[in-house]
Amino acid sequence: SQQGEEDPQALSIQEGENATMNCSYKTSINNLQWYRQNSGRGLVHLILIRSNEREKHSGRLRVTLDTSKKSSSLLITASRAADTASYFCATDERDDKIIFGKGTRLHILP
Amino acid sequence: GAVVSQHPSRVICKSGTSVKIECRSLDFQATTMFWYRQFPKKSLMLMATSNEGSKATYEQGVEKDKFLINHASLTLSTLTVTSAHPEDSSFYICSARRGSSGNTIYFGEGSWLTVV
Repeated sequence: SQQGEEDPQALSIQEGENATMNCSYKTSINNLQWYRQNSGRGLVHLILIRSNEREKHSGRLRVTLDTSKKSSSLLITASRAADTASYFCATDERDDKIIFGKGTRLHILP
Repeated sequence: GAVVSQHPSRVICKSGTSVKIECRSLDFQATTMFWYRQFPKKSLMLMATSNEGSKATYEQGVEKDKFLINHASLTLSTLTVTSAHPEDSSFYICSARRGSSGNTIYFGEGSWLTVV
């Protein structure tokens, strides 16, 4: 099953700009995680935010979580060419499943 | 370093044969492991949840007899694609949960399966 919906599906921005990606989900969760995936490669864990947290920072990453709206956002500040990748949110559901969103393909233009 | 090891990373097999992919947790015991499938430029689709010592729980639409999952120990789960067909070609990724529900999960590096 697939429950997360990322928005936008694809995003192209100039290097140095900020990139914002959103994720919505449908059920109750324990936590929500964001991952990056370069083409043809495995997943890189970026950040985990628990259901009782509202915001979390890690370097150039800022994640918010609104459990009332069942949504999360990932902000990458001062984007770099190396940030070009697909980004996925994954919800850790109460029934012990980890469900991924459809992902956002981010392309940083030089 | 990696805490979940997946092997092989790439495998090519002939149509009609079976291929096994292993997922190992390296420094922790994983009661629960998950298997995902990913098509090019698509997201990860959960195939099944593997619980040590019991039968796997398959997601709707996933053929149990096609994708055999065995979680015989707390550090190893295997996915066997039986009677493989070209349409089974895909990227398969496993993950393992350290401890109980809500605890951290770790992903393997994935396995590329090509059926010719």
